[in-house]
Amino acid sequence: ETGVTQTPRHLVMGMTNKKSLKCEQHLGHNAMYWYKQSAKKPLELMFVYNFKEQTENNSVPSRFSPECPNSSHLFLHLHTLQPEDSALYLCASSQESVPYYGYTFGSGTRLTVV
Amino acid sequence: DAKTTQPTSMDCAEGRAANLPCNHSTISGNEYVYWYRQIHSQGPQYIIHGLKNNETNEMASLIITEDRKSSTLILPHATLRDTAVYYCIVRLIQGAQKLVFGQGTRLTINP
Repeated sequence: ETGVTQTPRHLVMGMTNKKSLKCEQHLGHNAMYWYKQSAKKPLELMFVYNFKEQTENNSVPSRFSPECPNSSHLFLHLHTLQPEDSALYLCASSQESVPYYGYTFGSGTRLTVV
Repeated sequence: DAKTTQPTSMDCAEGRAANLPCNHSTISGNEYVYWYRQIHSQGPQYIIHGLKNNETNEMASLIITEDRKSSTLILPHATLRDTAVYYCIVRLIQGAQKLVFGQGTRLTINP
């Protein structure tokens, strides 16, 4: 365990379903991130949250809706997804007030859209 | 963020040292070099980072050239569990700087 927990580990959903991915960290970090990793592609940064405020949205379609209720939890709400949204979704956290820290990643949620 | 260039893939024999190069010729003076690795279908794992001095920890050593335009990650005694994609990333020291991943180097450790 890295200290960043993602649930569920695997998710299969239809294009008309609504589901949510959950990320939880108890490392005392103040920044959290969502990344997407499609097959044979580099990780793509989707969203950045700093002290619960969204500071970056990398042109992500509105069918992906993030939520950060507190600095320990991050959600990614999914609705009306497309098959091309099938990917590994990774959550990460960091302590941005301490400049030398790296990111801690969770194990990811493997999403399949059918 | 400055761009990095890494070989697409490398092979190394088990028990030997694995040396992974990275070019970052446009790195600025306040950017660190970070290395992460990603074992198949897991999240990336932090390995090491450095500014201008060589660094060593329990996982690896990082050698940065004097002009800081390139670096080498060294796994001193590679094992089969070191098979992964290795990412070299440059990142500003201060502030909420995002971590941007490239294609990385796919390192295969052979028995």
